[in-house]
Amino acid sequence: AQSVTQPDIHITVSEGASLELRCNYSYGATPYLFWYVQSPGQGLQLLLKYFSGDTLVQGIKGFEAEFKRSQSSFNLRKPSVHWSDAAEYFCAVGVLNNNAGNMLTFGGGTRLMVKP
Amino acid sequence: GAVVSQHPSRVICKSGTSVKIECRSLDFQATTMFWYRQFPKQSLMLMATSNEGSKATYEQGVEKDKFLINHASLTLSTLTVTSAHPEDSSFYICSARILYEQYFGPGTRLTVT
Repeated sequence: AQSVTQPDIHITVSEGASLELRCNYSYGATPYLFWYVQSPGQGLQLLLKYFSGDTLVQGIKGFEAEFKRSQSSFNLRKPSVHWSDAAEYFCAVGVLNNNAGNMLTFGGGTRLMVKP
Repeated sequence: GAVVSQHPSRVICKSGTSVKIECRSLDFQATTMFWYRQFPKQSLMLMATSNEGSKATYEQGVEKDKFLINHASLTLSTLTVTSAHPEDSSFYICSARILYEQYFGPGTRLTVT
């Protein structure tokens, strides 16, 4: 069965600093990988996704992520964090299911706090 | 595009009553919708997969008689929490599938008193 690990439960960075959120997955085949962001009391917004091709993917809000098969990782990065980036971030792996399309398994989430 | 709504956004009910939560795809048709549960400061746990015109598929450990799912049309799935108890209090999120992506609703906060 697939699994996703986000090793960092909380991360605090200063506004303007760079950010990297870690994500490691376990899956026997090439995964579909996603990063979502959730503001308090809200649903999930897709930041970016990797299906195939270029291993460095660009997303919304200036985020990017790199798929590294050898490390089973899909880390999320942003060169300069803004105060509005404070939120919960979830990495997810998608597994194809004949009836349901893409079933998602989520990591535990990383809460990002931004210091002024 | 690809907007998913949920109604209500918040609901408070008394123990023993039933509550219905609606999930709608506003600008697309979705043959498959998913229902997740999220406890405070925790990740999303898939409860069930809802396919239009057929019975829902529940994840292990989810009581199908307590969490009734109906996917009567290509734009609407409902989750009914029957005989709710305080331990059912949680944040419920639905999503609708387009090909290999899921689009999430804003969530429903259920509080059972």
